Amino acid sequence: GENVEQHPSTLSVQEGDSAVIKCTYSDSASNYFPWYKQELGKGPQLIIDIRSNVGEKKDQRIAVTLNKTAKHFSLHITETQPEDSAVYFCAAYHPGGTSYGKLTFGQGTILTVHP
Amino acid sequence: EAQVTQNPRYLITVTGKKLTVTCSQNMNHEYMSWYRQDPGLGLRQIYYSMNVEVTDKGDVPEGYKVSRKEKRNFPLILESPSPNQTSLYFCASSFGGGNEQYFGPGTRLTVT
Repeated sequence: GENVEQHPSTLSVQEGDSAVIKCTYSDSASNYFPWYKQELGKGPQLIIDIRSNVGEKKDQRIAVTLNKTAKHFSLHITETQPEDSAVYFCAAYHPGGTSYGKLTFGQGTILTVHP
Repeated sequence: EAQVTQNPRYLITVTGKKLTVTCSQNMNHEYMSWYRQDPGLGLRQIYYSMNVEVTDKGDVPEGYKVSRKEKRNFPLILESPSPNQTSLYFCASSFGGGNEQYFGPGTRLTVT
């Protein structure tokens, strides 16, 4: 099955700096790569996603890049703010043989932005 | 408001005492799933359902049961809880695994 590795497990930055979280996946058939943000005491929430036919996607201060050859994708947050502090999860979706496939999550990254 | 609700939010129980965690969504999603979150292990899928009366095992199904009798509800059943099932549980729904998952607020379960 699909295996998703996420690094680093913790990341501490100063307000205004950039933060980068990286994920690798094992199955080249995976074709959808979402990123979720989990704030304290809440469920994860989608912040950005990318499909395999696109190499990069940006939404204001966040961007995701995908390298299908190397099977890795990354989340980039620029001009970090204290409210960016949260747990971030990457995931990879493998379509499989059914119409619903399988979504596999990474281990999570605890991001702390210091004012 | 579109949402996924879970109940209870917190639960402390003893080994062997059957319990059910409810999950309900109001977005008419076909796909629903249960995850458990443990430190350093991320979100691991327990069971999922592709539609009413259609369920399948995820990565860590042992010790859990589910049912999908109605489209909006997907309860998680622990018939004989054990301490290793102490965890944070999330229900999620979507129009399919390759689409945005909407997560509930979580249920923190402690089994002593």
